Amino acid sequence: TQLLEQSPQFLSIQEGENLTVYCNSSSVFSSLQWYRQEPGEGPVLLVTVVTGGEVKKLKRLTFQFGDARKDSSLHITAAQPGDTGLYLCAGENDYKLSFGAGTTVTVRA
Amino acid sequence: NAGVTQTPKFQVLKTGQSMTLQCAQDMNHEYMSWYRQDPGMGLRLIHYSVGAGITDQGEVPNGYNVSRSTTEDFPLRLLSAAPSQTSVYFCASSYSGSTRQYFGPGTRLTVT
Repeated sequence: TQLLEQSPQFLSIQEGENLTVYCNSSSVFSSLQWYRQEPGEGPVLLVTVVTGGEVKKLKRLTFQFGDARKDSSLHITAAQPGDTGLYLCAGENDYKLSFGAGTTVTVRA
Repeated sequence: NAGVTQTPKFQVLKTGQSMTLQCAQDMNHEYMSWYRQDPGMGLRLIHYSVGAGITDQGEVPNGYNVSRSTTEDFPLRLLSAAPSQTSVYFCASSYSGSTRQYFGPGTRLTVT
């Protein structure tokens, strides 16, 4: 049983459209991280959110941590082909990470 | 800095064979860990180490051994490979007190 549920599992959109990926859990986390992984490579950290209700922006990417620190979302505005990849959320407690299964995002030119 | 390096990149084993997956980091990180990634399952923690000489089990440790004799190296040993161990294996490291993990490029292992 996955501790963190990500939805949707797959997302295919046209360049310029917006998209949102969700990460939900029944567990409370000290922090939540989002990673992006490209084929044949390891995950690379995008952001860490720590405070309930926190919103962080990274250029066209907006990350939100739920008030209860159980869920998070990643919103991409005006997606570009370079945003294509596997997006993983990971909840952290005591420096140990529990990962969601990931959302595969494809942005078509 | 090379960061986190893993060898080999690809490996095919027969059931019952043993092998060691190598992981090294040159960032002087205290914390190192091994994950396996399977389709639809995300990354699952196999073993981790908080410093040289200290290791502990993660979520899915059965069939794997680790040791940490130096800060830089954290090898993962498969004692008797099984088809269920077919997966992509990632090594990661981080500073003590930091939750940010740096991942290696992975080893794709197939057990026939």
